[in-house]
This record gives sequence, C-alpha cells and structure tokens, in this order.
Amino acid sequence: AQTVTQSQPEMSVQEAETVTLSCTYDTSESDYYLFWYKQPPSRQMILVIRQEAYKQQNATENRFSVNFQKAAKSFSLKISDSQLGDAAMYFCAYRDYGQNFVFGPGTRLSVLP
Amino acid sequence: SAVISQKPSRDICQRGTSLTIQCQVDSQVTMMFWYRQQPGQSLTLIATANQGSEATYESGFVIDKFPISRPNLTFSTLTVSNMSPEDSSIYLCSVERRASGGQGKTQYFGPGTRLLVL
Repeated sequence: AQTVTQSQPEMSVQEAETVTLSCTYDTSESDYYLFWYKQPPSRQMILVIRQEAYKQQNATENRFSVNFQKAAKSFSLKISDSQLGDAAMYFCAYRDYGQNFVFGPGTRLSVLP
Repeated sequence: SAVISQKPSRDICQRGTSLTIQCQVDSQVTMMFWYRQQPGQSLTLIATANQGSEATYESGFVIDKFPISRPNLTFSTLTVSNMSPEDSSIYLCSVERRASGGQGKTQYFGPGTRLLVL
C-alpha cells in the first residue's frame, strides 16, 4: 500500500525567509501524481502545487517550488519569501492512476513576524 | 479549479441523531469523494460516489453509518447516522478535475463541514 510520510510535525520560519517542508512516499507504481495542499485555520483545503512523476522538471508556482527526487521518493516543498499568510497546515499527498489518494500526516508551519 | 460548496458549514448535534451534509459542485463531475478529518489529524477517505451507482466505501466505513446519495453529476450528500462524540470531525467533499496546462487530474476540496457531537 502507498504511504506518505512527513517527518516534521511543526516548522517555523521568519517572515521573508525560505523554508523547506519534507515529504517522502512509498509506492511501487512508476506513474503517479504528487501534491502539496495548504489548510489554513479557515480549514479550506487549498491546492498549492502538483507534480507529475513522469516529468523531470520540478514544478513551480510563484513562491512555491518542489524538489522532486523520484528515485529517492522524495517530494519537498520550498516556500520562498515567506509571508504571514503562509501559516497553515501543509499536507503532502500522493495519487496514482488507480485513483488511490493518500495524504501525509501534515506539517504545521508558523511564520514569525 | 472547481467551486465546491458544502452545507452546513458547521453544526452541533446530540448523540444518537443524524446529520446530512450537502455538497454542490459548479459543474458536472463523474466522481465525488467524501473525507473525514478528525481533530489534529490528516484526511481519511470515507467513500467515493459515482452518479447512478452505489458508493464505494473504504475499510472501516460502512453504508449504514455513512449513507451517501449521488442523484446527479453536480450534487452529493453524506449522512452521519446515529452520531456519537467520536464522529466529531470535519467532513470534506472533494472532486477531481483535469489539471489546466497539464495532463492528469487534480483533486479539489470543499470548505468542509465542522461537526461537533455532544
């Protein structure tokens, strides 16, 4: 069965600095998708970024970028120029073509002014 | 993206009662998903609902406890039956959409329904 691990239950970053959230996963599939979702205190689950496993190029979305290491099954999220509004729970998620969708346990990110 | 609304946004219920949560999507989707997020936890898939067929439940969830309706391609309901305090959670509706600018699908979530059972 697929699993997603986020080894950092909590992280903090100074405003305007850069922070990296870790995610590792386990799968025997070769084609799949990986996601980072953000859940602020409002509880709305917001898609931050997605990565197709067949793409070697790392996905980027403005201040958010990933470091996707397929062989290592690692999918970290880098947030540059952190803002107070980035404070939230961040969930790493995996989805394969069989529609198995698995969430990691989450990392709570605090942004310090 | 997808515009997904849920009703109610929150509720406080008495033990033994039932609550039906509604999920409305802004356009037709084949599959709708219901998740539970217990306090301080990650998301757990309850069931997948296809229009015109019985919902498919994940291990640990049964239809008698969580009946689901899917009357059309834009709407679904999840009922939490015979509630106990252990059912206190956030319940999220989710749909898949083909990702813009790329292949494959992305999952989008509704705002959630926060349920407290006394």
